[in-house]
Amino acid sequence: NAGVTQTPKFQVLKTGQSMTLQCAQDMNHEYMSWYRQDPGMGLRLIHYSVGAGITDQGEVPNGYNVSRSTTEDFPLRLLSAAPSQTSVYFCASSPRDSPLHFGNGTRLTVT
Amino acid sequence: AQSVTQPDIHITVSEGASLELRCNYSYGATPYLFWYVQSPGQGLQLLLKYFSGDTLVQGIKGFEAEFKRSQSSFNLRKPSVHWSDAAEYFCAVIDAGNMLTFGGGTRLMVKP
Repeated sequence: NAGVTQTPKFQVLKTGQSMTLQCAQDMNHEYMSWYRQDPGMGLRLIHYSVGAGITDQGEVPNGYNVSRSTTEDFPLRLLSAAPSQTSVYFCASSPRDSPLHFGNGTRLTVT
Repeated sequence: AQSVTQPDIHITVSEGASLELRCNYSYGATPYLFWYVQSPGQGLQLLLKYFSGDTLVQGIKGFEAEFKRSQSSFNLRKPSVHWSDAAEYFCAVIDAGNMLTFGGGTRLMVKP
């Protein structure tokens, strides 16, 4: 059972480049979400989804897009990377009213 | 909107000493509360959770936490810390949409 799988683990981008962070879960969880982790600020919610075809914004959505075409996958897109998006990104999934399962994170650096 | 405060950014304890990490929350309804631990370079692992019932909850790795509604607190405790407990600890509260709000984290260092 792989759980929540995030790829890549590390990524370096130049300002203005685009990329997609991948997240897949094999537990048939309804809820999926993306967080970014910055020093001293804990984890902040970027976008989330309560099921296939349904997404919504979290606390810090600007500069990011998501889609949820299947239950398993929840990619996070950066359309035009900025240095302020340098962070560690975590994807999480859960059944309804249950604790989140986290991936191991993607460390992104934007130069 | 809910919020979580962890007043201590860094804590250092000696191995074998007791530990208490503080967490205060702000949430209008009955909260669902969690403690997660993050080892360096790793994702977050659930230590314990409080949904309802007994206010003292037991978790993995010998941790426990006590929910005190009157103080809006959910402090994490361990009677005797091991060197392997050195990590960052996050308290979190869940909202009606099943989304977590995290505190800023407390980094625990353990002295030999």
